[in-house]
Amino acid sequence: QSVLTQPPSVSGAPGQRVTISCIGSSSNIGAFYDVHWYQQLPGIAPKLLIYGNNNRPSGVSDRFSGSKSGTSASLAISGLQAEDEADYYCQSYDISLSGSVFGGGTKLTVL
Amino acid sequence: EVQLVESGGGLVQPGRSLRLSCAASGFTFDDHAMHWVRQAPGKGLEWVSGISWNSGSIDYADSVKGRFTISRDNAKNSLYLQMNSLRAEDTALYYCAKDKVGGLASYMDVWGKGTTVTVSS
Repeated sequence: QSVLTQPPSVSGAPGQRVTISCIGSSSNIGAFYDVHWYQQLPGIAPKLLIYGNNNRPSGVSDRFSGSKSGTSASLAISGLQAEDEADYYCQSYDISLSGSVFGGGTKLTVL
Repeated sequence: EVQLVESGGGLVQPGRSLRLSCAASGFTFDDHAMHWVRQAPGKGLEWVSGISWNSGSIDYADSVKGRFTISRDNAKNSLYLQMNSLRAEDTALYYCAKDKVGGLASYMDVWGKGTTVTVSS
């Protein structure tokens, strides 16, 4: 049971837009800690996708965007492409646990 | 090029110890906090431990607290994880990750490729 809750899977057709939710609590996202997102392609180490709720590192496509409100956050992927098929994880800091926490991960399937 | 290279993984019996290392290059190591994150086979990411730039702040996940010890040697640009009293559930791919800043409540902007730890009799 992860501290941050994500849907196990989402899917969409090429060109469509999908969103992945990340639900936390008052001790992490709701405590004003930022949310960050990582993409993990099969067999590859995770890669930073979004930092500080809605910022993209250099080189990340603007098809990826993030948002945060209250105790939850979302990752949106527009113009879905086959290469987006991967696992996506949200991450924040939890003041009660005194440590970083990850969501359980969401597997994106491009139909 | 920023690079993190983990080593020290292997097959170990339950109850025994193992020490992981992470060699960092391509950035000013002592400007950044560092983390260990693990991924059990077929499972998601689990943060294990983090250490601030000067070792002044250290955090552990409850699942490893009291058994694992994180440390760093800034003179050698290296991060370590001493793992004692290993259990089957510690079996995972262990990643070393660089924090964007010197403290612990931030994000991991560079990851190594990982080293595999298997705990089995």
